[in-house]
Amino acid sequence: EVQLLESGGDLVQPGGSLRLSCAASGFTFTSHAMTWVRQAPGKGLEWVSTVSVNGGTTYYADSVKGRFTISRDNSKNTQYLQMNGLRTDDTAVYYCVKEGLPGGIYYFDYWGQGTLVTVSS
Amino acid sequence: DIQMTQFPSTLSASVGDRVTITCRASQSISSWLAWYQQKPGKAPKVLIYKASSLDSGVPSRFSGSGSGTEFTLTISSLQPDDFATYYCLQYNSYSRTFGQGTKVEIK
Repeated sequence: EVQLLESGGDLVQPGGSLRLSCAASGFTFTSHAMTWVRQAPGKGLEWVSTVSVNGGTTYYADSVKGRFTISRDNSKNTQYLQMNGLRTDDTAVYYCVKEGLPGGIYYFDYWGQGTLVTVSS
Repeated sequence: DIQMTQFPSTLSASVGDRVTITCRASQSISSWLAWYQQKPGKAPKVLIYKASSLDSGVPSRFSGSGSGTEFTLTISSLQPDDFATYYCLQYNSYSRTFGQGTKVEIK
């Protein structure tokens, strides 16, 4: 059974930093690109960032480029999202998601339960 | 970036109704489209991928169609468990984009 367990969400002040983690199990982690998707309260879904299978290639939404860094540790079956320079509009539930097919970028077939990041003074 | 326009934003329907939701892409995405269902407080769940392929375990009353720029999700006979918000997702490029969502409410 595929499981994606996010952690690290918290209340942080504007300008602050936070690191989210996602521990994966139940599939061959090293075969799949991994992604973060967020959802602001009462709003729709927004793709945030994707990391390739070996971590060598990363992609970012314009809204987070230069502030967020995605990475993965294949020895720990874990992906991360380092968030710096946080703004109030980064407040959202952040979901760890698995790409639907091995190797590349597709749709998302499994989602974690989400972790809440609140940016407020 | 590819923009996805989804409509309607809200839909009121009764159990047993046939329901159709539409997503329009700002440029051709071939068949690289998925549909998701989300219930309050829960993560989205994939229903359809590659425009018309039903994900494992998804009831056959859900179906998807379309290619290029226009896509539809149809629920042939709405069931009580189907009242939720639905999103389309284009995955033609690494910069994936979702539609704005359609909330299906009880009439």
